[in-house]
Amino acid sequence: DAGVIQSPRHEVTEMGQEVTLRCKPISGHNSLFWYRQTMMRGLELLIYFNNNVPIDDSGMPEDRFSAKMPNASFSTLKIQPSEPRDSAVYFCASSLSLAKNIQYFGAGTRLSVL
Amino acid sequence: DAKTTQPTSMDCAEGRAANLPCNHSTISGNEYVYWYRQIHSQGPQYIIHGLKNNETNEMASLIITEDRKSSTLILPHATLRDTAVYYCIVKGSNYKLTFGKGTLLTVNP
Repeated sequence: DAGVIQSPRHEVTEMGQEVTLRCKPISGHNSLFWYRQTMMRGLELLIYFNNNVPIDDSGMPEDRFSAKMPNASFSTLKIQPSEPRDSAVYFCASSLSLAKNIQYFGAGTRLSVL
Repeated sequence: DAKTTQPTSMDCAEGRAANLPCNHSTISGNEYVYWYRQIHSQGPQYIIHGLKNNETNEMASLIITEDRKSSTLILPHATLRDTAVYYCIVKGSNYKLTFGKGTLLTVNP
């Protein structure tokens, strides 16, 4: 299996622009997680889905952030409008289920908002 | 979930065993100990997990004390590619993995 695939690997945008990060989980995995990593705050869980349904979005920093999972093989994390403080590495992870919680992470998207 | 305490950094010579400690004195009976690592510029990678018995897989061994208040991750023959930040995470029925600051292990030639 190719593992969790994230795109793009790098994104540079200007403040106020919309940013969409994409994730393809491992085939057959029913749970998907979005994380954000910064030097100051470390690795933080933003939101997770089970069977395409958002279960807990309490980590989403504010309304500018939204995440969707339209089907079992695709998820997006959108920031609109983006701000410089959103600059971070965003990781997507998937697991077989919430109970079998060994999470497999993608390579991440490094976002820079200028 | 219980909090964990890990040293900020450790060094190890290539080819020697790396022993990474973790304290989790407030762990509850149903909480597991997970270890992940993050090599520079990569996503975190699962290593091993356990409840109370010692565990071993192709990557590492996990030794959990009898009172479960601490554990040690052992990389039996460290290589330069094992240089990474190692995270010890205690997780119960809550599905979240809460990553702390971890231990930066540097394997030296």
